[in-house]
Amino acid sequence: QKEVEQNSGPLSVPEGAIASLNCTYSDRGSQSFFWYRQYSGKSPELIMFIYSNGDKEDGRFTAQLNKASQYVSLLIRDSQPSDSATYLCAVKLTSSGTYKYIFGTGTRLKVLA
Amino acid sequence: ETGVTQTPRHLVMGMTNKKSLKCEQHLGHNAMYWYKQSAKKPLELMFVYSLEERVENNSVPSRFSPECPNSSHLFLHLHTLQPEDSALYLCASSQDRRSDQPQHFGDGTRLSIL
Repeated sequence: QKEVEQNSGPLSVPEGAIASLNCTYSDRGSQSFFWYRQYSGKSPELIMFIYSNGDKEDGRFTAQLNKASQYVSLLIRDSQPSDSATYLCAVKLTSSGTYKYIFGTGTRLKVLA
Repeated sequence: ETGVTQTPRHLVMGMTNKKSLKCEQHLGHNAMYWYKQSAKKPLELMFVYSLEERVENNSVPSRFSPECPNSSHLFLHLHTLQPEDSALYLCASSQDRRSDQPQHFGDGTRLSIL
């Protein structure tokens, strides 16, 4: 089982719709959760981070964390063509006193104008 | 200048060449990282430095040699690379390894091995 799993997509949504991106993780020791956006040929850019169960909202973005079910999601409201990118889920966990960042392979989002 | 800066942006080299990638962060962070990103694979953590000390080396071949002369600069020295080493190499920094603060990435160096 992959440590951080994402559907590779592409996920296609019409402009103005809500895009829902999901991520599951295998290690219950995971502490912090991050969503990065990566445009083609560019570096990952932090969108949201969340540490506690529940929802965290920032503008059009909402991160949702459910530690019991080991998933974290990112909702993008009023999707715009400029949101078309690959979204990477990352998990930080502690293992034997060391800290690890584990990334998923990313979900490619296409917002159709 | 702010953020994380990487040079060069693109690098083409033969398998017998020696080259170096450079990363500089202007965020006052204490931890720096090298990642490799290949097509359809997750980001692979290569090295972690905390306060200029290497704290993690994820089984990276010795043809990759990192150097961290101070907390703002990180290098990746390359020697006798293989074609499968062609990838995007990303540098990142964070406040420190133990905090929950996120990592900030540079724009990467696109490396092609002939």
